[in-house]
Amino acid sequence: DTEVTQTPKHLVMGMTNKKSLKCEQHMGHRAMYWYKQKAKKPPELMFVYSYEKLSINESVPSRFSPECPNSSLLNLHLHALQPEDSALYLCASSQDRNYGYTFGSGTRLTVV
Amino acid sequence: DAKTTQPPSMDCAEGRAANLPCNHSTISGNEYVYWYRQIHSQGPQYIIHGLKNNETNEMASLIITEDRKSSTLILPHATLRDTAVYYCIVRVEVTDKLIFGTGTRLQVFP
Repeated sequence: DTEVTQTPKHLVMGMTNKKSLKCEQHMGHRAMYWYKQKAKKPPELMFVYSYEKLSINESVPSRFSPECPNSSLLNLHLHALQPEDSALYLCASSQDRNYGYTFGSGTRLTVV
Repeated sequence: DAKTTQPPSMDCAEGRAANLPCNHSTISGNEYVYWYRQIHSQGPQYIIHGLKNNETNEMASLIITEDRKSSTLILPHATLRDTAVYYCIVRVEVTDKLIFGTGTRLQVFP
């Protein structure tokens, strides 16, 4: 298995909802990442997990809460989002910082 | 963080080589240069990376200048499916940060 799988592919949520995005990889990669991408913009790094521990938080608002239950799984919990949080959320993994990242196809989130 | 500069857009005829330039004049000695591409609405796809030497794989070639201040990604025989945004990235030294620049939108035409 050489893929990063993200679910759901599409999500519409209200500003008072709580939802979660899921990311899974079975390549034995030790690092996992969340990126946010707005339309016609490059992906922006949000969080980095290394060996299941949060190593980088790029000053992301607390309404985004990451979780890494095990080495294969990465979640992003969403609560009280704003319409401007609507974006493509990308997950990635890598074995080592000198190797390429493998990206998932993303979850397209719409906040209404 | 080392930054990269790329032209915003380029065109290439199908079957011809596409040469995508990137400037990274503030790169540090241990920082790698990575290239990714993103086809519309998909996740970025890893293409190639290098440190000092030129690299080649089944997708592309990467030419890095001797002073490491710039590089060129070469797609030897561009196809319509190579139409995408191409990102040149310098990985931040001793961290896990991969920071995307604005990229080059490559349009391959028949």
